[in-house]
Amino acid sequence: NAGVMQNPRHLVRRRGQEARLRCSPMKGHSHVYWYRQLPEEGLKFMVYLQKENIIDESGMPKERFSAEFPKEGPSILRIQQVVRGDSAAYFCASSPSKGLRTNEKLFFGSGTQLSVL
Amino acid sequence: TQLLEQSPQFLSIQEGENLTVYCNSSSVFSSLQWYRQEPGEGPVLLVTVVTGGEVKKLKRLTFQFGDARKDSSLHITAAQPGDTGLYLCAGAAEVGAGSYQLTFGKGTKLSVIP
Repeated sequence: NAGVMQNPRHLVRRRGQEARLRCSPMKGHSHVYWYRQLPEEGLKFMVYLQKENIIDESGMPKERFSAEFPKEGPSILRIQQVVRGDSAAYFCASSPSKGLRTNEKLFFGSGTQLSVL
Repeated sequence: TQLLEQSPQFLSIQEGENLTVYCNSSSVFSSLQWYRQEPGEGPVLLVTVVTGGEVKKLKRLTFQFGDARKDSSLHITAAQPGDTGLYLCAGAAEVGAGSYQLTFGKGTKLSVIP
């Protein structure tokens, strides 16, 4: 499967625990985007990363959230000390090596549904 | 902050009817994309419109980009149950160095009843 792979598909955490969401982009893609989606809502941009660099994190909450995209391995979205309001679907998307161009599309993964008890 | 307003938010119609959903903004976008999302899955691109006034057709779906590149519409002719889903519009804006970011609307949730 050459698509964007996200795991786990479902993640249940108790308040105060940490959540780690993984995203492997499509082969040949080195730009990754993370979005959050609440029920009945569109996708809210969180962060845009290139290998080893954060390009734009303007949509990322300033506390408890962090993201990385190491030289080797998947991109990780990390949420520390989760709260109930963090419950949402988190989607990862990737684009080709030069970043999204105006008429290019993003390739989305199937998402991770995070539920905080 | 660039915002995209989609309307209606929910739409329930009978099979065979026509419908139009709208995507409006006060901002100009370099391009506008329409995605469809099924429950439990990520969005899948339907079309990208780039030029003001552009019209694209995809079988029974017709997409139009406004002349000023601030708004767009999606028209579905003779809707079928398979068209059921969440339709999202997304505007592309440059974030620097020729690279773009997509801003999504909240979507229109379409239900087509057999």
